[in-house]
Amino acid sequence: NAGVTQTPKFRVLKTGQSMTLLCAQDMNHEYMYWYRQDPGMGLRLIHYSVGEGTTAKGEVPDGYNVSRLKKQNFLLGLESAAPSQTSVYFCASGTGYTGELFFGEGSRLTVL
Amino acid sequence: GQQLNQSPQSMFIQEGEDVSMNCTSSSIFNTWLWYKQEPGEGPVLLIALYKAGELTSNGRLTAQFGITRKDSFLNISASIPSDVGIYFCAGHNYGQNFVFGPGTRLSVLP
Repeated sequence: NAGVTQTPKFRVLKTGQSMTLLCAQDMNHEYMYWYRQDPGMGLRLIHYSVGEGTTAKGEVPDGYNVSRLKKQNFLLGLESAAPSQTSVYFCASGTGYTGELFFGEGSRLTVL
Repeated sequence: GQQLNQSPQSMFIQEGEDVSMNCTSSSIFNTWLWYKQEPGEGPVLLIALYKAGELTSNGRLTAQFGITRKDSFLNISASIPSDVGIYFCAGHNYGQNFVFGPGTRLSVLP
């Protein structure tokens, strides 16, 4: 069972470069989320989606964009990376009904 | 934004000891969840609680949904080295986003 898969697992960027993180889930979940995790800050919600074609801002959305063109995929984009975006990014999915949330393994991004 | 409080922040215990940690909130939740995160991995769901007062076990883990709906407890019995990790609590209400605690870091000494 793949569950929630994130690619890439690691990436190093220079300031100003752009990139996209891909999240794929095979559980037919409606809800998908992107979080960032920083030391001492816990998990902070960047953007989320409650269904195909919908997206919404979370707690820390600035500098990020997202798209949910297909139900199983949720993309997180950085148009112009900044050192403050160095973090570990987690994608998660859930039904929205049971309250359970399933996470990917994370994508570690370093911006120089 | 909304925050959960977890205590203790970190703990060092001897293998074989029991562990208790808790999570509190100023808000009411309909669902409480407990996750474990190992180094380099994503959080993994351990236990989900859906009813105030509910007590649920998963192997050596036992979690309780506080009667006030503002807190939850996680106990680990007879700890082993593979219990090492960060334990997160999360609260959820239908139609709203999840709220996570900052985590309790558990170290198990052989």
